[in-house]
Amino acid sequence: NAGVTQTPKFQVLKTGQSMTLQCAQDMNHNSMYWYRQDPGMGLRLIYYSASEGTTDKGEVPNGYNVSRLNKREFSLRLESAAPSQTSVYFCASSETGRNEKLFFGSGTQLSVL
Amino acid sequence: QKEVEQNSGPLSVPEGAIASLNCTYSDRGSQSFFWYRQYSGKSPELIMFIYSNGDKEDGRFTAQLNKASQYVSLLIRDSQPSDSATYLCAVNTGGFKTIFGAGTRLFVKA
Repeated sequence: NAGVTQTPKFQVLKTGQSMTLQCAQDMNHNSMYWYRQDPGMGLRLIYYSASEGTTDKGEVPNGYNVSRLNKREFSLRLESAAPSQTSVYFCASSETGRNEKLFFGSGTQLSVL
Repeated sequence: QKEVEQNSGPLSVPEGAIASLNCTYSDRGSQSFFWYRQYSGKSPELIMFIYSNGDKEDGRFTAQLNKASQYVSLLIRDSQPSDSATYLCAVNTGGFKTIFGAGTRLFVKA
């Protein structure tokens, strides 16, 4: 039972490069999320998808785009990476979304030079 | 700005003692409250959730909620070295947005 799977685990980019972080869940959850975690700060929500076909902005959406490809997959794209986007990124899912417990992927350590 | 505040620690307790972790939140409309454990270099893992005022116990863990004081706590009884981790308090106001505190680092000394 894989749960929430993220790829890649590590990535180094140069400023201005683009990349897509992939996330897939096999728990038949409706809602999916992208968070970033920076030292000394809590997890901050970037974007979420309440259900297949919908996406909404979270607390820190600037510089990111997302795609809910199907019920299982939710990707995060950095179009032009900036050093301020150096962070650990976590994908998460929940059964229905509202008030729900979150299940996290293993994370992606991203460095932008 | 909705906030969740935690003491960053580190909180150091001897093995076998009770560890007490605290959290305050700013939004009185908050409806659900969670504690996640995060080992260094790993992802957060849910260990407790509570929706109503009072205490909720699960094994060695007890979550306490006081909505009037906007206060949530986590007690870990018989603390073990394997409990050493960062504990994240998280609060949801009923929508899809869960707000996390920055976490409290706990060290359990053998």
